[in-house]
Amino acid sequence: GAGVSQTPSNKVTEKGKYVELRCDPISGHTALYWYRQSLGQGPEFLIYFQGTGAADDSGLPNDRFFAVRPEGSVSTLKIQRTERGDSAVYLCASSLLGGTTDTQYFGPGTRLTVL
Amino acid sequence: GEDVEQSLFLSVREGDSSVINCTYTDSSSTYLYWYKQEPGAGLQLLTYIFSNMDMKQDQRLTVLLNKKDKHLSLRIADTQTGDSAIYFCAEAYRGPRISGGYNKLIFGAGTRLAVHP
Repeated sequence: GAGVSQTPSNKVTEKGKYVELRCDPISGHTALYWYRQSLGQGPEFLIYFQGTGAADDSGLPNDRFFAVRPEGSVSTLKIQRTERGDSAVYLCASSLLGGTTDTQYFGPGTRLTVL
Repeated sequence: GEDVEQSLFLSVREGDSSVINCTYTDSSSTYLYWYKQEPGAGLQLLTYIFSNMDMKQDQRLTVLLNKKDKHLSLRIADTQTGDSAIYFCAEAYRGPRISGGYNKLIFGAGTRLAVHP
């Protein structure tokens, strides 16, 4: 079946602009995760959804970052007033149940460049 | 706090074995993972090991876990050019306000494996 998909694959924006990044998880997966991967680093956890609710948003760096998952499927990561330091690859993952150690399946990521 | 460390680079000759090492800090981690990342592709789960195991073998891959030293290794037998990629070690971690399991992965910085003829 289809894996996790993310759009756009690349996003270039200017400092101060607002961006939205979209994630389509694997159908039927209740858990969804966002990670951020800076150049030369491993992915860093941002937020975890169980269904529609954000069960753990402890990884969001500041209040410019926000994510939603209104119907428990597609999720959007929103970044306000972008800064050059936000440039990274944003990865989305989903898993069947969440809150357990079931496998997280990752999407290809959205490469965000803030000029 | 949580931290996972890996050596950054490994170069091996085609046909040799590769051993990628990782250390982690959270002694309560129950699952430890190895992911592979190729250019332009997403993270691919290679294998994982449960903390009550010392070793797990899966075809060319062997994972060794030393809980006392908090050391994890991945051995790739008969390394091929197609194995060239970045390999990430990750531990499962429970975030705040989470009960009944783990909800996030803590990744190392990745080991870049280069396979040459």
